[in-house]
Amino acid sequence: NAGVTQTPKFRILKIGQSMTLQCTQDMNHNYMYWYRQDPGMGLKLIYYSVGAGITDKGEVPNGYNVSRSTTEDFPLRLELAAPSQTSVYFCASSSPTDNEQFFGPGTRLTVL
Amino acid sequence: QKEVEQDPGPLSVPEGAIVSLNCTYSNSAFQYFMWYRQYSRKGPELLMYTYSSGNKEDGRFTAQVDKSSKYISLFIRDSQPSDSATYLCAMWVDSNYQLIWGAGTKLIIKP
Repeated sequence: NAGVTQTPKFRILKIGQSMTLQCTQDMNHNYMYWYRQDPGMGLKLIYYSVGAGITDKGEVPNGYNVSRSTTEDFPLRLELAAPSQTSVYFCASSSPTDNEQFFGPGTRLTVL
Repeated sequence: QKEVEQDPGPLSVPEGAIVSLNCTYSNSAFQYFMWYRQYSRKGPELLMYTYSSGNKEDGRFTAQVDKSSKYISLFIRDSQPSDSATYLCAMWVDSNYQLIWGAGTKLIIKP
């Protein structure tokens, strides 16, 4: 049981490039989340999904897109990367009956 | 004003001390209160979880919720260097899918 896995662990992008951050969970959780964490700023919600085919914006969605075609996968797409998107990105999942969110190990992204 | 306020620290204490970490909040509708622990370069992990007011104890950790004051606390007794981490509070309303997070307090336990 791997829990929540994220790839890649690290990535450096040039301004204007695009990339997809991958997230997979094997706990059959309906709810999945993408957060970014900047130093000393806590977690900010980018997008979330309550089930396959259903996604919604969080607090800071601009510059990002998501899709949820399966229960297991919730990829985050960055289009036209900007230095302001330099951050650590965490994917999380939870069950509708339990508020506990399980987190992946994170992806450290630098945009230069 | 943020919905959840948490002092980012760092808070540095000697080994064996009692640590008190706190969050205040403004939304009286919050019903579920959580403390997550995040080690450096790792994802957060749930440490304590309480519903409504009162205390909950788990080993050296005690979580306290005072809904009348909109104030929650996490106490760590006999603190150890391995407790050095960032502690994030999080809160939830039953009708919403989202956790509302504090900024996290960085705790350093000096041997």
